[in-house]
Amino acid sequence: NAGVTQTPKFQVLKTGQSMTLQCAQDMNHNSMYWYRQDPGMGLRLIYYSASEGTTDKGEVPNGYNVSRLNKREFSLRLESAAPSQTSVYFCASSESWSTDTQYFGPGTRLTVL
Amino acid sequence: SQQGEEDPQALSIQEGENATMNCSYKTSINNLQWYRQNSGRGLVHLILIRSNEREKHSGRLRVTLDTSKKSSSLLITASRAADTASYFCATASSNSGYALNFGKGTSLLVTP
Repeated sequence: NAGVTQTPKFQVLKTGQSMTLQCAQDMNHNSMYWYRQDPGMGLRLIYYSASEGTTDKGEVPNGYNVSRLNKREFSLRLESAAPSQTSVYFCASSESWSTDTQYFGPGTRLTVL
Repeated sequence: SQQGEEDPQALSIQEGENATMNCSYKTSINNLQWYRQNSGRGLVHLILIRSNEREKHSGRLRVTLDTSKKSSSLLITASRAADTASYFCATASSNSGYALNFGKGTSLLVTP
């Protein structure tokens, strides 16, 4: 089992460009999450999907959109990238949307110039 | 908003010593979880302690929870160089829809 995979690992964008971060899990988990991690800030929740077919905003959703494509895949889209979105992005999954343990992907390091 | 706050921010010890990290939080919780992050990698779950539990062990890890003081501690015994990482506490609360709230982490350095 690969667990949670993310692509790409690194990305550099210019201000105003768009891109989609991909995430997939092979653990048959119902819930998936997108976080961003900034230096000295810990992890902050951007969006989550409690189950297939549902998505909800987290703490810092502005500037992002998500799609739960199927039970395995959850993508994060930046429509018009801004320097403030320079960060490391982590996808995670858990068996259910409650208090379960979350399993994290290796992260995508994004730089917006 | 980040509910958990780890203390200290950074800790440096020698191999064989014990490492203790603390986490304080503000509101009532359903459980508290500890995660480890090696440099440049994703987070790995270490241990989960529920609000009705006071202590939990997993290998060289010991976690305590004091809900009256809204605090938790993570003890790593007989540290190894491979324990060098950042450690995060995360709280789950029905008040926040069960979303995990992560602290800013403690950076642990274990030198040979």
